[in-house]
Amino acid sequence: NAGVTQTPKFQVLKTGQSMTLQCAQDMNHNSMYWYRQDPGMGLRLIYYSASEGTTDKGEVPNGYNVSRLNKREFSLRLESAAPSQTSVYFCASIRLAGSSYEQYFGPGTRLTVT
Amino acid sequence: GIQVEQSPPDLILQEGANSTLRCNFSDSVNNLQWFHQNPWGQLINLFYIPSGTKQNGRLSATTVATERYSLLYISSSQTTDSGVYFCAVGTGGFKTIFGAGTRLFVKA
Repeated sequence: NAGVTQTPKFQVLKTGQSMTLQCAQDMNHNSMYWYRQDPGMGLRLIYYSASEGTTDKGEVPNGYNVSRLNKREFSLRLESAAPSQTSVYFCASIRLAGSSYEQYFGPGTRLTVT
Repeated sequence: GIQVEQSPPDLILQEGANSTLRCNFSDSVNNLQWFHQNPWGQLINLFYIPSGTKQNGRLSATTVATERYSLLYISSSQTTDSGVYFCAVGTGGFKTIFGAGTRLFVKA
């Protein structure tokens, strides 16, 4: 049981390049999230997927797109990377508990845009 | 939107000391979790505690939802407790708001 996995672990992009961050979970959870964490700050929600086939914007969605490929996988795409997107990106899988939920995080992807 | 404030922002302890970290939130919540981010960046679930009290070894947490705060207690601190402690809350639906964290350093 690997939990939540993310690839790649590190990435350097030039301004204007595109890339996709991959996330997969093997816990059979319906919901998955993408966050970014900037230095010295908490996590901010980019997009979330409440269930397979649905996605919604979070707090900071501009410059990103997502795809919920199937129940296991939720990818985050940067179409034209900007230096402001330099950050650590975390994917989370959500265990629903009645009307509330618990989050389980992947190890993160450290992205630098030059 | 809901505001989440954590205090203190930074904390330095001698190994073996006890500490209390606080999380205040500005609105009713239906979800509250405490996380530890270790020095390697990994986020580890500590407690899921929208209300009440829980204990896990040297750590315990209490949330008083009616007064809009949660406390995380660390007893007999160890160097491996170092890192950043985050409180994260949800108010319904799926959106979650994180506090800015408390950075803890435990000296040997």
